[in-house]
Amino acid sequence: AQSVTQLDSHVSVSEGTPVLLRCNYSSSYSPSLFWYVQHPNKGLQLLLKYTSAATLVKGINGFEAEFKKSETSFHLTKPSAHMSDAAEYFCVVMTTDSWGKLQFGAGTQVVVTP
Amino acid sequence: GAVVSQHPSRVICKSGTSVKIECRSLDFQATTMFWYRQFPKQSLMLMATSNEGSKATYEQGVEKDKFLINHASLTLSTLTVTSAHPEDSSFYICSARAGRIGNQPQHFGDGTRLSIL
Repeated sequence: AQSVTQLDSHVSVSEGTPVLLRCNYSSSYSPSLFWYVQHPNKGLQLLLKYTSAATLVKGINGFEAEFKKSETSFHLTKPSAHMSDAAEYFCVVMTTDSWGKLQFGAGTQVVVTP
Repeated sequence: GAVVSQHPSRVICKSGTSVKIECRSLDFQATTMFWYRQFPKQSLMLMATSNEGSKATYEQGVEKDKFLINHASLTLSTLTVTSAHPEDSSFYICSARAGRIGNQPQHFGDGTRLSIL
C-alpha cells in the first residue's frame, strides 16, 4: 500500500523567507507523487507532480520539490514566501492499482507573516 | 483548460432532506470522477470512484445508500446525500479525470459546503 506522511501540521514563515514543507512516502513501487494547495473553502490546485522522470520537479508559483529515493522523501520548497502562499498544502501519492486513486497526507497549514 | 465546476458551492438545509451536488467537467470528457469528503482542519477522504456508465465503487465505511452517486454522462456526476443529518455536514469535493487509467491528472472542483441544521 502507498501512503504519505507530512511531518509538520503547521509552518509559519516570514514574507520573503524560504518555505520548506516536508513529506515522506511509503511505496513498494516507484511512486507517483504530487503536491496540491488548497486555499480556504476552495478545491485543490496542483502545484507539481513527480512521475519517475527528473528527480527535481518544478511547479507553479515558484515551488519545486525533490524526490529522494534514499530518504523516501518529497519535500516542497520555495525560495521566497509570498503572502498569497498562505494556504493548506497536501502531499499526495497515487495508488498503483488500476484506479489510480490519490492518498492524501494530513496537510500542512502555512502561515505567512509580513 | 481542465476546468471542473461544482454546484452548489454552499447549501444549508434541514435534517431529513436530501441534497444533490453536481460536478461537471467543462472542457474535457471525464471518464472517471471521484468524490471526497473533508472535515474541518482535516485531509481529504475518498468516498467513491465512478466511471461513466458504471456503478460507483465506494470506499470501506461509506454507505452507498446514504451517498448516491450517478455518473450518467462524460461531463456530469452527481452526489446525493439522502435523508441528511447534522453529522453529514462537511465539505464535499469532486475531481474528474480524462481517462480510466491512473497516470492522467485529477482536476478538482471548488467544493460544496454542506450544513445540516
